[in-house]
Amino acid sequence: DIQLTQSPSFLSASVGDRVTITCRASQGISRFLAWYQQKPGKAPELLIYAASTLQSGVPSRFSGSGSGTEFTLTISSLQPEDFATYSCQQLNSYPLTFGGGTKVEIK
Amino acid sequence: QVQLQESGPGLVKPSETLSLTCTISGGSVSTDYWSWFRRPPGKGLEWIGYVSYSGITNYNPSLNSRITISIDTSKTQISLKLNSVTAADTAAYYCARRHTTGYYYLWGQGTLVTVSS
Repeated sequence: DIQLTQSPSFLSASVGDRVTITCRASQGISRFLAWYQQKPGKAPELLIYAASTLQSGVPSRFSGSGSGTEFTLTISSLQPEDFATYSCQQLNSYPLTFGGGTKVEIK
Repeated sequence: QVQLQESGPGLVKPSETLSLTCTISGGSVSTDYWSWFRRPPGKGLEWIGYVSYSGITNYNPSLNSRITISIDTSKTQISLKLNSVTAADTAAYYCARRHTTGYYYLWGQGTLVTVSS
């Protein structure tokens, strides 16, 4: 199975901050990576797919980059509604796997 | 607008079978692939398996011997059965629809299942 390691696992930030989350794969996955946002009691929401393509309806302050084994999710200016848990997912091979998640909290 | 809704018992006893249903409204299940995922408390998301519109299945090997996922196109439902459950199967369970690009873009709200006697 492909292991995904996210860092940091916890992040404390203020509104307006630039935030970067990293996801590292245990082997190359080309660009078959997605990022999700999840709030307590809610379903995961697809933010980014194919490493850098913004899902329809997602604000442009979210962006993704990377290929191979290293990927990043960037929020250019953190908004109050962005405080949530973010997870990466690889779709290069089965079984599909996720990173452990990054919880973004208000400083 | 297509919506997914999971349903099933919120409490299951150890060694019994967990049975959940995902009902699709506003659309058909006769296209695309449909997966089940779960998130145990305090842990990351886990893919359980998928079923295609034609009934092809693929399961996570870590759960393979205990899972059955099926599709009922007449009822627009996807079902999950997980047998011989333990406390480790306590989680929020989600169904999701896979886009033709391969990414899961539509998810149900999830249902919390607790395994306890």
